Amino acid sequence: AQSVTQPDIHITVSEGASLELRCNYSYGATPYLFWYVQSPGQGLQLLLKYFSGDTLVQGIKGFEAEFKRSQSSFNLRKPSVHWSDAAEYFCAVGALDFGNEKLTFGTGTRLTIIP
Amino acid sequence: DSGVTQTPKHLITATGQRVTLRCSPRSGDLSVYWYQQSLDQGLQFLIQYYNGEERAKGNILERFSAQQFPDLHSELNLSSLELGDSALYFCASSPSSKSGELFFGEGSRLTVL
Repeated sequence: AQSVTQPDIHITVSEGASLELRCNYSYGATPYLFWYVQSPGQGLQLLLKYFSGDTLVQGIKGFEAEFKRSQSSFNLRKPSVHWSDAAEYFCAVGALDFGNEKLTFGTGTRLTIIP
Repeated sequence: DSGVTQTPKHLITATGQRVTLRCSPRSGDLSVYWYQQSLDQGLQFLIQYYNGEERAKGNILERFSAQQFPDLHSELNLSSLELGDSALYFCASSPSSKSGELFFGEGSRLTVL
């Protein structure tokens, strides 16, 4: 069975500082990996995704993530955070059988930005 | 705006009651997914429909049921409600292609008193 672990429940960083959110996955085959962001009172929005190829993927809002198969990790990074990045971030792993794009989500990391 | 519409946004009801949550997917999306988000369980996959047929089932209770109609909108029915059913219920849709991207609605917040 597929699973995702986000070890950090809550992270606080200063505006302008760099950010790294951790994600570890368990999946029997080549994983498809995703990062979603949920702003307060909103649904989830896709930040980026990894299917294959280059292990460093770029997403929206200046985020990037690196797939490391040897470590079963897919950490999310941003070089300089903005106050508007405060939100909850979810890592997800999935199978993409046609018509069956079920995703398994981690428990999320809440990001707080301080001035 | 993701293009996925969920109604109602908020719902307060009593234990033992039954409610129906409605979801309209993005135009052209054939797959609809239901997820439950609660503080203690996180984001849990409930069920998926593809073009009117059930395709995958997750941690959905027997008291819950869903369906997708010919116009592709979906409804999630929750019955014999318990306090623990209080949660945010999300609907998501996806294109038929292997984009891997789910488009989420803003959710329906259910409070059971």
